[in-house]
Amino acid sequence: DAEITQSPRHKITETGRQVTLACHQTWNHNNMFWYRQDLGHGLRLIHYSYGVQDTNKGEVSDGYSVSRSNTEDLPLTLESAASSQTSVYFCASSNGGGNTEAFFGQGTRLTVV
Amino acid sequence: GESVGLHLPTLSVQEGDNSIINCAYSNSASDYFIWYKQESGKGPQFIIDIRSNMDKRQGQRVTVLLNKTVKHLSLQIAATQPGDSAVYFCAENWGDATGNMLTFGGGTRLMVKP
Repeated sequence: DAEITQSPRHKITETGRQVTLACHQTWNHNNMFWYRQDLGHGLRLIHYSYGVQDTNKGEVSDGYSVSRSNTEDLPLTLESAASSQTSVYFCASSNGGGNTEAFFGQGTRLTVV
Repeated sequence: GESVGLHLPTLSVQEGDNSIINCAYSNSASDYFIWYKQESGKGPQFIIDIRSNMDKRQGQRVTVLLNKTVKHLSLQIAATQPGDSAVYFCAENWGDATGNMLTFGGGTRLMVKP
């Protein structure tokens, strides 16, 4: 069955370290998204991609970057982790167009100490 | 800026009763409005959507109502069950033929009492 997976599920890192969170989908979806979820803020969009080699900034993109070298993967990189980036991160994918259903991964809980 | 938000952070209902979760939005350009359910420790899961040119859509035990005059969206769950306990997010979808994007509200926690 097609799915979307995130790894790792939990990560503890130190301030200033570079961290990469993986997202892999087998839906063959063109659209992929990264969100962070914090108490009181719901889900906020970090970056998104509409296809290979396409990346765009979302609402809270500062300190994050993504790359899209193939359809299946959209890794999220924290260039220099900060305590403010402690959060739960969700990756999602969708087919786009008139299909609004987005499929979410299980999330990655990142703690920056 | 334009945003999607929710009126009530927590809703507690008795098992078997109907639940109504409300949401206000401000972006009139959205083409779809969607409800997602998020259970503890899991990612959000699509429940139902409604196109901006509709005012009502029904699914299995769920109904979404859209009032564009007052920019209000609601999710009605009939005969609420313990398995319905979760956080519910409304979201607006906008985009073009290239791709779509979701903007989420803050979420409402639904607690079902047995």
